[in-house]
Parts: sequence; C-alpha cells; structure tokens
Amino acid sequence: QLVLTQSPSASASLGASVKLTCTLSSGHSSYAIAWLQQQPQKGPRYLMKLNTDGSHSKGDGIPDRFSGSSSGAEYFLTISSLQSEDEADYYCQTWGSGSWLFGGGTKLTVL
Amino acid sequence: EVQLVESGGGLVKPGGSLRLSCAATGFTFTPYSMNWVRQAPGKGLEWVAYISGNSKYILYADSVKGRFTISRDNAKSSLYLQINSLRAEDTAVYYCARDFAWVFDYWGQGTLVTVSS
Repeated sequence: QLVLTQSPSASASLGASVKLTCTLSSGHSSYAIAWLQQQPQKGPRYLMKLNTDGSHSKGDGIPDRFSGSSSGAEYFLTISSLQSEDEADYYCQTWGSGSWLFGGGTKLTVL
Repeated sequence: EVQLVESGGGLVKPGGSLRLSCAATGFTFTPYSMNWVRQAPGKGLEWVAYISGNSKYILYADSVKGRFTISRDNAKSSLYLQINSLRAEDTAVYYCARDFAWVFDYWGQGTLVTVSS
C-alpha cells in the first residue's frame, strides 16, 4: 500500500534553512511527488513537482529559496533564508492506481 | 491570473445533500482535468474526486463512492460536486484544484461543509 510519511513538525530560525522530508512506503520509490504549502487559513499552494530522475518543476512565482531533491524513496523540500511567511503546513502528494494521496503534513514553525 | 472560487458550503443535517460549485477564471477551462480535495478541521488533505476535461473519465475516493458526484460545465467554466447522504465525517473544507499532469497546480480558497444535527 502506497503511503507518504512526513514528520508532524519542524522548526528553524528566521534566515536559516530547513529541510523537510517525505518518505514513500517500501516498494514505491519510483513515484514522482509534489510539494504543497498551506499557510494558515488559506488554500494549498503548489510549490513544485519532483520527478524520479531528480529534476523538478516549480509552480508560478515560487521563489528560488524553495528547492527540491530526492534520494531513493525519500523526497526533500529545502527552504533557505527562512521568512516569517514560510510558517505553514507543508504536504507531499503523489498519484497512482486511480487515486491521489497526501502525506500527513509537516507544520513548520519559524522561530 | 488563474482563480478558482468555491461556493455552496453550509450547515446541513446528517443524511442531507449539498451541491458545491467551483468557478474557474483566468485560463481555458475545457482542456484541464479538475479535482475536489477536502480537509477536515485540524486534519490533513484528502483527495475526493477527479474529472477529465471532457468528463469521459471520473474517479472517486472509496470513502465517497456512491454518495458524491463530480461534474462540470465547460461552457460555464464551472466544476460541481453533488454530495448526498452526508455524514458527520464529511465535515470539512472542500477545495477545487486544477490538475496539470497529475499535480494540482492551482487551488481555490475552499468552502466549508458542516454536517450536524
């Protein structure tokens, strides 16, 4: 069964960098994923798609501070030069077998 | 500018029905597949339903199959979700999202559905 696992919370200081992780369940390392940001009381915002070959494509207007990478079944979202507006929930998403699946989300706190 | 605006949410009794709408502007609606995604209070995102641009392909999450119906009117650039036999666990903010090569690249602000007696 395809499952996306994310740590429930993360924190980092203003101006620092943070790396969030999304792990695909065993046997599902060949899936592409997408990263989404959800600021408080807002709808989700598409950040980027990470392909299995390591390439990625960003959404419109997403700053260069947001980058993605992968290693095996682990997918990463790195946010550099953290700003207060980066405090949000971050979700990974994938698709397959006629459905779409989201990770449980990581709540990022900017200190 | 791409915009998706949901409407139609509200308070409904268990067993009741609602029809949610999503008005799309800023892009040519017809070629794009569309989705509904929901988020229960304080919880994560859950995909609900998918419809292709020509309505030929429709998919539902198992949790809503048989109770929810997704549809669209390309002439009106609008997406719909008919939700019947509502249960308390259907209480959520419902988002419409544009599908671009299987990723959801634009989302609306959501409409809240509350199921309570």
